[in-house]
Amino acid sequence: KNEVEQSPQNLTAQEGEFITINCSYSVGISALHWLQQHPGGGIVSLFMLSSGKKKHGRLIATINIQEKHSSLHITASHPRDSAVYICAVSLPGNQFYFGTGTSLTVIP
Amino acid sequence: EAQVTQNPRYLITVTGKKLTVTCSQNMNHEYMSWYRQDPGLGLRQIYYSMNVEVTDKGDVPEGYKVSRKEKRNFPLILESPSPNQTSLYFCASSRIFGGTEAFFGQGTRLTVV
Repeated sequence: KNEVEQSPQNLTAQEGEFITINCSYSVGISALHWLQQHPGGGIVSLFMLSSGKKKHGRLIATINIQEKHSSLHITASHPRDSAVYICAVSLPGNQFYFGTGTSLTVIP
Repeated sequence: EAQVTQNPRYLITVTGKKLTVTCSQNMNHEYMSWYRQDPGLGLRQIYYSMNVEVTDKGDVPEGYKVSRKEKRNFPLILESPSPNQTSLYFCASSRIFGGTEAFFGQGTRLTVV
């Protein structure tokens, strides 16, 4: 049983395509985080959401608290967007749970 | 520059030989935590700390110890490492728990033979 489910697990896109990665969770959360992990292994935080929508450059993250669902969108995808994208939730009990990640490859 | 620094980045050790992975943050964050990342399982929380001298177990604490004597440091201690602790480890910090951005260290790749 995994509290956080992501889909798809793997995604290949052509440069310029619009990309959507989905995250569903089954527990009550304080916030939802989208993280990016590059092939070198380092992890950076892209977004932290507790409601609504956030935008940063070509990245957009949305969350629907009632449906326990979040999406990460990448517009005009570029090869440098190739990475693993991880959805994580922080719980009121001070713990984090993570999805297993979506591996994105953008082909020139 | 705001950062979380882990050391070492790579470590190969033998079963049973005690080791410590250090983690330090320069942002005066209250919340710090340790995770391990394994293929197919994703990131799992080992221990976390809400503040100095306050630590608690995460999902997979067995075989690990932590301490938080100072706000900036949160070392991960493996008293008697075993091969099933071979993994990629990350330390992270945030200003407070959950509701603020998390900053991650560069990761420590540990191999126990």
